[in-house]
Formats: sequence, C-alpha cells, structure tokens
Amino acid sequence: AQTVTQSQPEMSVQEAETVTLSCTYDTSENNYYLFWYKQPPSRQMILVIRQEAYKQQNATENRFSVNFQKAAKSFSLKISDSQLGDTAMYFCAFIPFNTGNQFYFGTGTSLTVIP
Amino acid sequence: NAGVTQTPKFQVLKTGQSMTLQCAQDMNHEYMSWYRQDPGMGLRLIHYSVGAGITDQGEVPNGYNVSRSTTEDFPLRLLSAAPSQTSVYFCASSKLAGGSEQYFGPGTRLTVT
Repeated sequence: AQTVTQSQPEMSVQEAETVTLSCTYDTSENNYYLFWYKQPPSRQMILVIRQEAYKQQNATENRFSVNFQKAAKSFSLKISDSQLGDTAMYFCAFIPFNTGNQFYFGTGTSLTVIP
Repeated sequence: NAGVTQTPKFQVLKTGQSMTLQCAQDMNHEYMSWYRQDPGMGLRLIHYSVGAGITDQGEVPNGYNVSRSTTEDFPLRLLSAAPSQTSVYFCASSKLAGGSEQYFGPGTRLTVT
C-alpha cells in the first residue's frame, strides 16, 4: 500500500524567515514522482514543486526547495524568505511511475506566515 | 485555455436528493479524477478515468457514479445524498504519462442537510 504522512498539521513562520514542512511516504515502488501542492484560502490547488525519484539532485523553484532522501522515504519542503502570500495548506503527494496516474495525498500542513 | 472547470461552486442538498457535479477540461488530457477533501483527511480519490469509456473506482467510491463519454467531460453523480457526503469536491486532469502534473478545478462545496 502507498501512504503519505504529513506529521505537522499546523505551522507558523515569521515573514522573511525560513520554514520546513515534512513529508514521509511508504511505497515498494522504485520509480515514482513526488509533488508539493499549495492550497490558499481561494481553495485552488497549485503545484509548487515536483521531484523525480530517479534524480539525486533536489528540485528547486525560486524560494521553494526540497530535501529528498530516497532511502529514508522523506520529502520535505523548504520555503525561504517566507511571504504573506505563502499562507496556505500544503499537501505532499506521491505517484508511482508505472502503475497508473493515481495520486496519493498526505493530510496537509496548514502554514501561517505572520507579519 | 480555461483549464479544468467545475460547476456549481456551491450546492446545498437535502438527504436523499440526487445531483450531478460537472467537470470539464480543455487540455485534451486522458486522465481525469474526482477527489473529496475533508478536514484532517487530505484528498481522497473517489473515481478516475484513463480515457473515454473507461472508469474505475478509487479509495471512496460508495454513493457516487461516474461516466466518461467524451475526453473533455467527467461528471460525478450523487445517487442519494447523505450528510456524510458533505465535503469539498475537486476534479483534476492530467496527461496519462507517468508523473504528469495534475491540474485541479476550483472545487465544489457541497452541504447535505
């Protein structure tokens, strides 16, 4: 069975500071993709960053970067220079490469950026 | 390009009523899916489709029906609404290639009284 665990239901960070959201997953697959999605109060799901499991290099997108530890099945998201617009629910998601397009989502972390 | 559209945005139903949530995408994506989002439970897959005429069950399919007569449309039917189906529903689509990003609609907030 594939599972995704986000152990931090809520987090807060001061504006301009750095925060790390954790995610672990369980799978027997060797090839897969990992994603972080952001859901602001508007409810729209927005892709933040994507990581291919076969790549050792950690993905980065501007202020967002990941720490991907394949052996530990860990996929944390680091947000640098936090901005008020980063306030949102963040979901970690996993999809096996060869067994269909079914995404597995974590339960989410609610992040509040404090001015 | 409208992306993924969903209607309605909000809906209130009485127990036992039926209704259809509409979903359409204009990106020619083969894969479409329906999720429900409940507090503390993330997104759970209800049904999905890998192409016109092909549908399959996800994690929580009971009480819901789907069909896929065209590539663009993937409606979700609630047969006899129950209070346990109060939730926010998201439709998503993607290419069928492994690891493709899923594009989400804006969601439908459904309340069953």
